[in-house]
Amino acid sequence: QLQLVDSGGGVVQPGRSLRLSCVASGSTFSSAAMHWVRQAPGKGLEWVAVIWSDGNNKFYADSVKGRFTISRDNSKNTLYLQMDSLRVEDTALYYCASEVFGGRHFDYWGQGTLVTVSS
Amino acid sequence: DVVMTQSPLSLPVTLGQPASISCRSSQSLVHSNGKTYLNWFQQRPGQSPRRLIYQVSNRDSGVPDRFSGSGSGTDFTLKISRVEAEDVGLYYCMQGTHWPPYTFGQGTKLEIK
Repeated sequence: QLQLVDSGGGVVQPGRSLRLSCVASGSTFSSAAMHWVRQAPGKGLEWVAVIWSDGNNKFYADSVKGRFTISRDNSKNTLYLQMDSLRVEDTALYYCASEVFGGRHFDYWGQGTLVTVSS
Repeated sequence: DVVMTQSPLSLPVTLGQPASISCRSSQSLVHSNGKTYLNWFQQRPGQSPRRLIYQVSNRDSGVPDRFSGSGSGTDFTLKISRVEAEDVGLYYCMQGTHWPPYTFGQGTKLEIK
């Protein structure tokens, strides 16, 4: 089992940057693929990015490609999302989610951290 | 991108009665390895999503057996045999066969009549 705690959200102006973190407790973090999923206020779920367990493969949604960077530090059991050139439409609750067993997507979720992009 | 379409989007149900949510994908979700990566999630009010079902019909640990998933190809269904008050919330289907991106349905809001 994995417990995930998201942090790093806040209010930021358009064009600025923010870095989110997701700290995992449990021995399976280093072998799990990890995702970021977001939910705009009152809206549905949108997948943002995934990073494989070794950190060597990363994929992004078109809406964030070139602006967001997913990374991880397995020695710290921590997942990151560096968000640059933020836009108003990036306003959302951001969740980290794990994929402990390959193909069993989003088995554990963090509590979410709110990012508000506003001038 | 694979489009996931859920129906209905709003589902009022009487306590103790069954409920059913449909999810259709814009293309077959059968992977080249033969598996079908269709999941169901529940999001109770004010909570994070929680996975209920993975690979069409496999119930996650701790999920009550009144929840069941079925389907194949492009048509999938989540059924609740007898709705309880704690089942109120949003339900999402999601595909992980053709990625990136992983895509979700719009969500179905289940409420008690």
